[in-house]
Amino acid sequence: DVKVTQSSRYLVKRTGEKVFLECVQDMDHENMFWYRQDPGLGLRLIYFSYDVKMKEKGDIPEGYSVSREKKERFSLILESASTNQTSMYLCASSLQGLDYNEQFFGPGTRLTVL
Amino acid sequence: KQEVTQIPAALSVPEGENLVLNCSFTDSAIYNLQWFRQDPGKGLTSLLLIQSSQREQTSGRLNASLDKSSGRSTLYIAASQPGDLATYLCAVRGATDSWGKLQFGAGTQVVVTP
Repeated sequence: DVKVTQSSRYLVKRTGEKVFLECVQDMDHENMFWYRQDPGLGLRLIYFSYDVKMKEKGDIPEGYSVSREKKERFSLILESASTNQTSMYLCASSLQGLDYNEQFFGPGTRLTVL
Repeated sequence: KQEVTQIPAALSVPEGENLVLNCSFTDSAIYNLQWFRQDPGKGLTSLLLIQSSQREQTSGRLNASLDKSSGRSTLYIAASQPGDLATYLCAVRGATDSWGKLQFGAGTQVVVTP
């Protein structure tokens, strides 16, 4: 079974802090994704990566950066956390290619910025 | 731009009845469509993935159909149980997407009453 894990289930940070969210997958997937989920807005893609050290902006990259130094690990960084970044953050991974590239999700990190 | 709609936003059915969940998308040029389940406060669990060349996909009590030309997919859950309480989301991968990005619907929240 594919397993995607996220470093924390719940996180509370203060405005202006630097925040790291970690995601690890164990299925040798090339693609990894970071989403945020907010009531009424659904899932929105922040960044994704299709290979080590490669990244592409999603729909809402402002205020975020990412790092992928190893294939299995994809980090989301909030350089200076703000209250409007309070949200549920979800990581996902998938194979590349056109067929059967299901996305598998981690359990999510609920981040609160005070 | 692809838009994915799920109506209704919420659904309540008596235990034992079949569930019918709808998903529509505006651009029929898709590679695949994926159905997910999200338990309250948790991450997403992949239920079924239907390739654009397929008409339906089945897994246990779940059956998903795809009518690409009319931009619709339906998820059927047979003999609903209280444990089916969750939000069900559909997501499509566009045919012009090289990276496996998904466009999500807002979800249908399901309650099964005893």
